[in-house]
Amino acid sequence: GAGVSQTPSNKVTEKGKYVELRCDPISGHTALYWYRQSLGQGPEFLIYFQGTGAADDSGLPNDRFFAVRPEGSVSTLKIQRTERGDSAVYLCASSPTGTGSEQFFGPGTRLTVL
Amino acid sequence: QQQVKQSPQSLIVQKGGIPIINCAYENTAFDYFPWYQQFPGKGPALLIAIRPDVSEKKEGRFTISFNKSAKQFSLHIMDSQPGDSATYFCAASRGKLIFGQGTELSVKP
Repeated sequence: GAGVSQTPSNKVTEKGKYVELRCDPISGHTALYWYRQSLGQGPEFLIYFQGTGAADDSGLPNDRFFAVRPEGSVSTLKIQRTERGDSAVYLCASSPTGTGSEQFFGPGTRLTVL
Repeated sequence: QQQVKQSPQSLIVQKGGIPIINCAYENTAFDYFPWYQQFPGKGPALLIAIRPDVSEKKEGRFTISFNKSAKQFSLHIMDSQPGDSATYFCAASRGKLIFGQGTELSVKP
């Protein structure tokens, strides 16, 4: 079956611009997670959805970052007024449960802020 | 309390060797400990995972050893192959995953 997909695979933007990153989870998975991975580091948690609601958004670095999952499937991570420090690979994962186990990752979106 | 410490940072072994990667955690509330394999330009792929009520789990050439009292766990790769060359991440979870810093493994032919 299809895995987690993320679009775009690469995004280059200018400082101050707004970007949207999309995640399509595995069909039927109720939990969806966003992580951010900087070069040479492990992924860092951003936000977790159980269904349509954000169950834990404690990893969002500031109020420029926002994510939605309006119908409990596709999710969009939105970043306003991008900064050079936002450059990273943004990873999405989905899981059949909300317990944190069995998280399957997509290929990521590489965001570069010039 | 949320930190997961992983070592070594990099590791080189010969084909057929048994690389061992170690992780330590602090938060005793963690209840799920997965290992992920990541190739350049790809997302992390779930390799094997263990829960704290089990001391060892084996799947194919991959084995996790878990020491609950020491709050440590490790990954062993038996009969390593050049195709195993990748970055390996341990993680700990109670909901969200907390990842270690990663180990870059190189298996020489």
